Amino acid sequence: EPEVTQTPSHQVTQMGQEVILRCVPISNHLYFYWYRQILGQKVEFLVSFYNNEISEKSEIFDDQFSVERPDGSNFTLKIRSTKLEDSAMYFCASSVRGNYGYTFGSGTRLTVV
Amino acid sequence: GESVGLHLPTLSVQEGDNSIINCAYSNSASDYFIWYKQESGKGPQFIIDIRSNMDKRQGQRVTVLLNKTVKHLSLQIAATQPGDSAVYFCAEKISSGSARQLTFGSGTQLTVLP
Repeated sequence: EPEVTQTPSHQVTQMGQEVILRCVPISNHLYFYWYRQILGQKVEFLVSFYNNEISEKSEIFDDQFSVERPDGSNFTLKIRSTKLEDSAMYFCASSVRGNYGYTFGSGTRLTVV
Repeated sequence: GESVGLHLPTLSVQEGDNSIINCAYSNSASDYFIWYKQESGKGPQFIIDIRSNMDKRQGQRVTVLLNKTVKHLSLQIAATQPGDSAVYFCAEKISSGSARQLTFGSGTQLTVLP
């Protein structure tokens, strides 16, 4: 069964450093997403991406965040200057269309120290 | 603001019994709902979905019921097994031309007792 693949599974970074989280969505999917989940809390939407541009973003997704699809397979989330409160699980998801069939990856656990 | 929420944070059932997990939503503009299962340290795993033009949908051992009148969603798991122990989230998508994001509920921890 097709999977969304995320790397690394766990990343530890110092406050103020830049991190890039990587995702390989399912190959025939057209819509890509990042969500995050702070420990013990809800899964929260960050951003959706379609046709090489952001289509929606939440209040969480401020100027410190950016997304990119650098080639035909990867989808990345960059946090420019990490803060302690950025520590969370970050999930990438993709869907073949925008209104159904969302598949999530296993997540990257980001720890900011 | 409007949000998706769950009635019960924890649910314990005996192995072999049926489980019912409930979810209340408040946004009448939502047109698509998904139930996800999340095991510790893993991402949300799709279980079953339902569109707002339906009131029931069945999968393998799972049934989702949608009551739009009271904005209520439930997930029924038949013959619950130990492997069903996980956190279950409902998620909704608002009907809007460009809206794609899912709004998740708080989650219910299902524990299957031997």
